Amino acid sequence: NAGVTQTPKFQVLKTGQSMTLQCAQDMNHNSMYWYRQDPGMGLRLIYYSASEGTTDKGEVPNGYNVSRLNKREFSLRLESAAPSQTSVYFCASRLRGAMNTEAFFGQGTRLTVV
Amino acid sequence: TQLLEQSPQFLSIQEGENLTVYCNSSSVFSSLQWYRQEPGEGPVLLVTVVTGGEVKKLKRLTFQFGDARKDSSLHITAAQPGDTGLYLCAGPTSGTYKYIFGTGTRLKVLA
Repeated sequence: NAGVTQTPKFQVLKTGQSMTLQCAQDMNHNSMYWYRQDPGMGLRLIYYSASEGTTDKGEVPNGYNVSRLNKREFSLRLESAAPSQTSVYFCASRLRGAMNTEAFFGQGTRLTVV
Repeated sequence: TQLLEQSPQFLSIQEGENLTVYCNSSSVFSSLQWYRQEPGEGPVLLVTVVTGGEVKKLKRLTFQFGDARKDSSLHITAAQPGDTGLYLCAGPTSGTYKYIFGTGTRLKVLA
């Protein structure tokens, strides 16, 4: 069981470069999320997708775009990376239908912007 | 804006001691979840509390949801080194499936 798979695991970018973080889940979940986690901190919600074709801003959406191409995949794009975007990025998914379902997380992508 | 504040931010204790971690908000949440995260991994769900005043036990961990559903606590009895990790509370913002997380409590249990 793969669960939630994120690629890449590590990435170093120069300021101004762009990149896309990929996330795929094989649990047939409706809802998918992108969070960032700064050192020693909790997770902050960047974007959320309730279902295929829908996305909504979270707590810290500035500087990011997302795409929910199908039920399995939810990608996060940095158009022009900034040092403030250095963080660990986690993708998560959960089954929608009940408000209390468990979120399953990927292993994270450690991004450094220099 | 709904926020979840956790306290303390850091906690270092000796094996066998008891401890309590708090998750507070000025807003009402329909439910709260507790997760534990280990280094290099994503968070893993420990428990979900739904009803105001609810108490749930998971071995040595006791979780309580406040009567007004604005706060929750996690109590660990006789902590062990295996309890070391980052403890996070999380809840859905009003009427949505947008889950936000608390600021986290980093626990270190020394042998």
